[in-house]
Amino acid sequence: GAVVSQHPSRVICKSGTSVKIECRSLDFQATTMFWYRQFPKQSLMLMATSNEGSKATYEQGVEKDKFLINHASLTLSTLTVTSAHPEDSSFYICSASRREDGYTFGSGTRLTVV
Amino acid sequence: GNSVTQMEGPVTLSEEAFLTINCTYTATGYPSLFWYVQYPGEGLQLLLKATKADDKGSNKGFEATYRKETTSFHLEKGSVQVSDSAVYFCALVDQKVTFGIGTKLQVIP
Repeated sequence: GAVVSQHPSRVICKSGTSVKIECRSLDFQATTMFWYRQFPKQSLMLMATSNEGSKATYEQGVEKDKFLINHASLTLSTLTVTSAHPEDSSFYICSASRREDGYTFGSGTRLTVV
Repeated sequence: GNSVTQMEGPVTLSEEAFLTINCTYTATGYPSLFWYVQYPGEGLQLLLKATKADDKGSNKGFEATYRKETTSFHLEKGSVQVSDSAVYFCALVDQKVTFGIGTKLQVIP
């Protein structure tokens, strides 16, 4: 089946710095990838849809300037949390879809901002 | 819009007990339905899926049947194991993925 690799799995950063999270489709090309955020004891909330070669589509309430998404190739999407603050601490998960496999998720990134 | 309602946990069961996690949905179209599992500290893994009414998805002893008449997709397993302890998410896929809140399952020896 399809494999999506997400890196890093854990990151701790200082308040005010930026953090980049990578999402790669390893054995297929993904024109569309999705970024989710999971708060403790809550479900996954879709943040944005990443489109290869064009701007990402953000969900209502998600700050475009804080969560920068770049989908530069058919196998790589990145999410950059800019000027991170403690309230940005969360579990971030990406996913990509392929017709025969449905949605495949990365292993997630635990971001802690101190 | 689409929504998924899932029973809140945690659900605590003894090993070999029968498991049911309820999931109902509302959708305007004809979505596909999924169950995902998240083990501690990990991302989501697809457990099973059903793409149309009356389809039954099954995997690793888990089953769920797409019931259009009751708009449900309940997850069942006849005999749970300690290794099944995880959070289970019901999801609806139409244009986007809509997740339920997740149900934490704890299986004790």
